[in-house]
This record gives sequence, C-alpha cells and structure tokens, in this order.
Amino acid sequence: DAGVIQSPRHEVTEMGQEVTLRCKPISGHNSLFWYRQTMMRGLELLIYFNNNVPIDDSGMPEDRFSAKMPNASFSTLKIQPSEPRDSAVYFCASSHRENTGELFFGEGSRLTVL
Amino acid sequence: AQTVTQSQPEMSVQEAETVTLSCTYDTSESNYYLFWYKQPPSRQMILVIRQEAYKQQNATENRFSVNFQKAAKSFSLKISDSQLGDTAMYFCAFMKRPLTGKLIFGQGTTLQVKP
Repeated sequence: DAGVIQSPRHEVTEMGQEVTLRCKPISGHNSLFWYRQTMMRGLELLIYFNNNVPIDDSGMPEDRFSAKMPNASFSTLKIQPSEPRDSAVYFCASSHRENTGELFFGEGSRLTVL
Repeated sequence: AQTVTQSQPEMSVQEAETVTLSCTYDTSESNYYLFWYKQPPSRQMILVIRQEAYKQQNATENRFSVNFQKAAKSFSLKISDSQLGDTAMYFCAFMKRPLTGKLIFGQGTTLQVKP
C-alpha cells in the first residue's frame, strides 16, 4: 500500500507568491494532519481533519494560511501571500482511529520563500 | 497544556553499543499515549515505539525499549546493539486521549551511530 504522498517535495518561491502544498493520505484513513517543522519552533500541528471536516485549526499561524480537504483522498495547504518566515518543511500525516494514535507521515514538502 | 522536553540535542554511540535518549513531559491528564518517532535524513517520520500510560509494563520493539516512569513523567528510549541505520533525529511525543492524532513533540535528539 502506498504511504502518504506529498507534493511538491521542494518548492522555492518569492515573497508574495501563492504556494499550494498537496497531500494524498493513505486509503482508508479518516484523519489527516498538517504539521510544520522549523529549527526555531520544532514540529507543530497546523490543522487536522476528521472525515474531511476541519476539527482543530488553532495552529494555523494567520489568515494567510488555509487548508482544504474536498474529499477523503486529497488535501491542500495554501499560503497566500507567502513570506520568508514561512520557510519550513511541511508534513502531511494520516491515521485511522483504530490505529491507537499512530500517525503515518509523508516525506514532507520543503518550502523556501526568498 | 502539555509540554515535552528532550534535554539532549545531540548524542553519539559506537556501533553495537547501547544508548539511551531522555524525555520528560508535563501534563495534568491521566490517560494518554507516549511515542518515539525517528526522522532519518530522508525526512519521513517513522514510529519507533509507543506506550499507553495506563500500562505499567514498558513497551519493547526488537532492539528498542522504553523506560516509562509515570510518576516522574519520564519516558526514555533505549536502543540496544546500535546500527548505522539508527542514525537519525529522534522525537519524543505526547498524545492525550481521546486519540485525536494531535501530537505534542519534543525538540528532538540527533543520534549519530559511529562505525
């Protein structure tokens, strides 16, 4: 079975540009998570969905960030407009409730905003 | 609020030896899970081992075991017979019940296994 698939793996953009990160969770998983990893703040949860519905978006830094999950097999995290401080690795993860809390992570999308 | 602290930013160990990574946490919850995740240079986070707080028996997965001290809020990871492939960053993480998937991570410990 394929794992969590994220794209792009690397993204370099200029300040002010729109960035869209994509995620395909593991088939059959009903929860999806977006985490951000930076040197300063470590790993932090941005938002998570359960059955395609956003449950907790308290970690979303500001209105420039938005996330959607239009169906069970796809999610996007959008940053508009992007800023240099958004540079980070963004991870998507999925889980099924019966997995006792184990999250399955993608390989991450490394974003660099110049 | 829960916090997880890993006080060892970097560690190294010789191949085939044993190493212990430390983790402490703070919570007022009584029912929760603790995890160790491994992040190799490929970046993908992989679950190493998990511990349910209500279980007194320490979890073990092959060469990986934990020392869970609930009263002290301590959760250390022991890696026996270290292998070069164990070189990675290791994160301790906390999740309260019900299991929403919301992990609180520590800062991580970079482990270097030397040949």
